[in-house]
Amino acid sequence: ETGVTQTPRHLVMGMTNKKSLKCEQHLGHNAMYWYKQSAKKPLELMFVYSLEERVENNSVPSRFSPECPNSSHLFLHLHTLQPEDSALYLCASSQDLAGGLLSGTQYFGPGTRLTVL
Amino acid sequence: GQQVMQIPQYQHVQEGEDFTTYCNSSTTLSNIQWYKQRPGGHPVFLIQLVKSGEVKKQKRLTFQFGEAKKNSSLHITATQTTDVGTYFCAGPGTGNQFYFGTGTSLTVIP
Repeated sequence: ETGVTQTPRHLVMGMTNKKSLKCEQHLGHNAMYWYKQSAKKPLELMFVYSLEERVENNSVPSRFSPECPNSSHLFLHLHTLQPEDSALYLCASSQDLAGGLLSGTQYFGPGTRLTVL
Repeated sequence: GQQVMQIPQYQHVQEGEDFTTYCNSSTTLSNIQWYKQRPGGHPVFLIQLVKSGEVKKQKRLTFQFGEAKKNSSLHITATQTTDVGTYFCAGPGTGNQFYFGTGTSLTVIP
C-alpha cells in the first residue's frame, strides 16, 4: 500500500543458515534504507543507500551484508546470525537525501519478522 | 551519541479524552518528522516540521516544533479507537544519520 514491498514477511532461521531479505520500491525514489526494530528499543538505522551507493553504515556487524543492485531493489544478506538478531527488519525509501542529509519523508515496507533459533 | 527521547512510554486513555506525547532531542534538529505505527504494522509518515515554533494541524492532531528546535509535541484531541498505535518522532543527525524517538504507545479504551 505504501509502494514498498518486502519479502519474506516472516523468516525463521538457524544460526548457521544463510538467507536474504528483499525490498522493492515502486515509487521512483533514489534513497533506500534498512532499519532494525527490536522489542522495547527505538528503530535503529542500519544502512543507507543513495543512487545505489552506500552512504551510511551504522557499525552493523558484518554478518549483515546489504546489496543495492539498482535504485528499486535493496537486499539484506544474512549469515551466521545470533538469537539477539531476532527483530523486525524494515526497509524504507525516500525521494532523495535532501542536501546530503537524511531528511526526506520515508515510506516503509511491511517488514520481515526474523527469528533466529 | 544523539538521543531522541519520548514521554510517556505508554498512555492509556478513555475514548474521547485528549492525548499528548512529547519528544526531546539531545541536539538541535533541522526538521522533525512524526510517524505512526499501528500494532503489527509499519511506521507511516504523518508530518514534517521545519521551522522553529512551527505548529501544524491535521484534523484532531496538532504538531508543534519547539523554538530551540530540540523538542516537539503531538496532541490528539478527543481520541478515537482508530488512534491506537505507537507514535514516533524522528529527525536527522549528522551526515546521513536519522534517529527515531523511543515512541509512545497509545491505547484507547472504548
